[in-house]
Amino acid sequence: GNSVTQMEGPVTLSEEAFLTINCTYTATGYPSLFWYVQYPGEGLQLLLKATKADDKGSNKGFEATYRKETTSFHLEKGSVQVSDSAVYFCALSDIPGGSYIPTFGRGTSLIVHP
Amino acid sequence: DAGITQSPRHKVTETGTPVTLRCHQTENHRYMYWYRQDPGHGLRLIHYSYGVKDTDKGEVSDGYSVSRSKTEDFLLTLESATSSQTSVYFCAITPQGGGTDTQYFGPGTRLTVL
Repeated sequence: GNSVTQMEGPVTLSEEAFLTINCTYTATGYPSLFWYVQYPGEGLQLLLKATKADDKGSNKGFEATYRKETTSFHLEKGSVQVSDSAVYFCALSDIPGGSYIPTFGRGTSLIVHP
Repeated sequence: DAGITQSPRHKVTETGTPVTLRCHQTENHRYMYWYRQDPGHGLRLIHYSYGVKDTDKGEVSDGYSVSRSKTEDFLLTLESATSSQTSVYFCAITPQGGGTDTQYFGPGTRLTVL
């Protein structure tokens, strides 16, 4: 079956530091890959996505590249801000049996200090 | 904003009582989902629906039932609530259920079973 593995958190950084959150996946087909972000007290919202190998998704200074050869989709940001403090979820989509069932990682908490 | 609301937003109930959570969407999207979120487990799929009266089980469906009699409403019922069902419950939709679709999440319902 499909699976998504993320690095465990919390990840604690100082403002303006470089961020990497690792994500690897296992899938039988050719999934799309996503990063979602969850701010405190809210539901998840899409941060970025990539739909095929070598695609790069980007949004709000965050980037991730779909690497089929290493089955990875690592999230990066060059300079984090306190407002980036949140939980980040890596996810993949697949359509087993014709129904759209996303698979989520367990989430990585990011804490950014001033 | 995909126009998703959840009700109630908070609920405290006692063991053995029935509980129904409601998810309402305004955009007539086809796919709707119920997840629970617990520390250390990330998001786990309970049930999903791919149309009116068309539902299927997710990975943690025991103790839960769902109904979808109208496109816009997806109800989650705990027939006899247990303390292990204390969690935050999220409803989500995908517009068409295609492999590149983004999921849109509601704001969540925090349920406490005493």
